[in-house]
Amino acid sequence: DGGITQSPKYLFRKEGQNVTLSCEQNLNHDAMYWYRQDPGQGLRLIYYSQIVNDFQKGDIAEGYSVSREKKESFPLTVTSAQKNPTAFYLCASLGTGLETQYFGPGTRLLVL
Amino acid sequence: AQSVTQPDIHITVSEGASLELRCNYSYGATPYLFWYVQSPGQGLQLLLKYFSGDTLVQGIKGFEAEFKRSQSSFNLRKPSVHWSDAAEYFCAVGQNTGTASKLTFGTGTRLQVTL
Repeated sequence: DGGITQSPKYLFRKEGQNVTLSCEQNLNHDAMYWYRQDPGQGLRLIYYSQIVNDFQKGDIAEGYSVSREKKESFPLTVTSAQKNPTAFYLCASLGTGLETQYFGPGTRLLVL
Repeated sequence: AQSVTQPDIHITVSEGASLELRCNYSYGATPYLFWYVQSPGQGLQLLLKYFSGDTLVQGIKGFEAEFKRSQSSFNLRKPSVHWSDAAEYFCAVGQNTGTASKLTFGTGTRLQVTL
C-alpha cells in the first residue's frame, strides 16, 4: 500500500537533547512538509521541501532542522534550541499537479 | 496573507441530526479549499476539496461543502451525523507559491456526537 509512515509514534526527549523524527513516503511525491500541532492552534508549518536537496522555512522554523537527501525521506530534527518542543508532529506529502496534501499518522514528542 | 477562521471550537450534536461546520477564509485570489478530519492521536484525512467549478462539492463519508465567494465561506455539512463522525475537523486554504503548494489551517472544530 502506498502511504506515509512516521516513526516513532511516541518520542521522549531530555532537556538539551536533539531528536530526529522520521518521515517516509512511497507515493512518489515531490513535495514534503512538516507541521506542528498544538491544542487549540491547528497546524503550523515548520519546513517544506519541493525537491531533493532543497527546502524552505515555514512559519515556525526556529529550533528545527531538516534534510532532503532522498525523494522518499524528509527527517525533522528538533534541536535543543527549541524551547517548547512538546507537540504532535505531522508529516505530509504532495504530488506535482495534485494540489492535495496527504498526511502521515504523526509523532507525539514529549519532553522529560 | 491568507488566513482561515473556524469560529466554533466545539460543537455537540445528536446522532441523526444535521451538521454544519463553519469556515471563513481570507485570500486574495481564487482559493483552493479543503476540509480534513482528524481522529484522536491520528493524522489528517482529506474529506473534500474545492479547486474550481461547481461550488457544491461532495466528499467522503457523506459530507459536502459549499463555496460561497461573496461570503468568503466554505462550510461543511452532513444531513445525518453518525456517532463515528466524532472527531476534529480542520478547514484549510491552499496557496500555490510556484515552488510548492502551502496550506494554512484553521484552529479546528471538535465535534461531539451524543447518542
